[in-house]
Amino acid sequence: DADVTQTPRNRITKTGKRIMLECSQTKGHDRMYWYRQDPGLGLRLIYYSFDVKDINKGEISDGYSVSRQAQAKFSLSLESAIPNQTALYFCATSEPYRAGGTDTQYFGPGTRLTVL
Amino acid sequence: LAKTTQPISMDSYEGQEVNITCSHNNIATNDYITWYQQFPSQGPRFIIQGYKTKVTNEVASLFIPADRKSSTLSLPRVSLSDTAVYYCLVGERLPDKLSFGAGTTVTVRA
Repeated sequence: DADVTQTPRNRITKTGKRIMLECSQTKGHDRMYWYRQDPGLGLRLIYYSFDVKDINKGEISDGYSVSRQAQAKFSLSLESAIPNQTALYFCATSEPYRAGGTDTQYFGPGTRLTVL
Repeated sequence: LAKTTQPISMDSYEGQEVNITCSHNNIATNDYITWYQQFPSQGPRFIIQGYKTKVTNEVASLFIPADRKSSTLSLPRVSLSDTAVYYCLVGERLPDKLSFGAGTTVTVRA
């Protein structure tokens, strides 16, 4: 079974619709992240959460909101979808960094979102 | 946040060694160097991390010179399944302080 799951895997919606992308993890990690990926642009951080009561904006949070319902669940919402939010969305978790090291991130399979 | 520069793309053939160099001239004392691999339609996957000298695991080797201003990811004897995008990240701490750039697209041909 996958450690980080995302639903749905694919979604087509229309401009102005509200949509929620869900992420669940069984790794027991406190830290969770949402990224979007556009062709040729790598991954950009939207929001991240270090525990259930902690939510932080990332590089490109405008137009998005998140909810951390439990340690294992982190949802991303587009309140009013627009076409330039068409992208591949990834959820990730990370382990607290070892002494002197950087967190290792574990990514979900991605959600391909198309906004018409 | 250390800026990284890596080639946009590289081509190779099965059985060859692939070396991808990442430049990070403004790396800070406490920064680590981390590489991720991303296959088409999948999320990135951690490959290797290092601070200095050489690190090796079952997948790759990471060479870091003494001045740490660059690093080289080495993939031995690549196969078609190694075709992927490879990202070099440099930073001290959590992923919110790191940046996935465009990466290097490695294409392995038969």
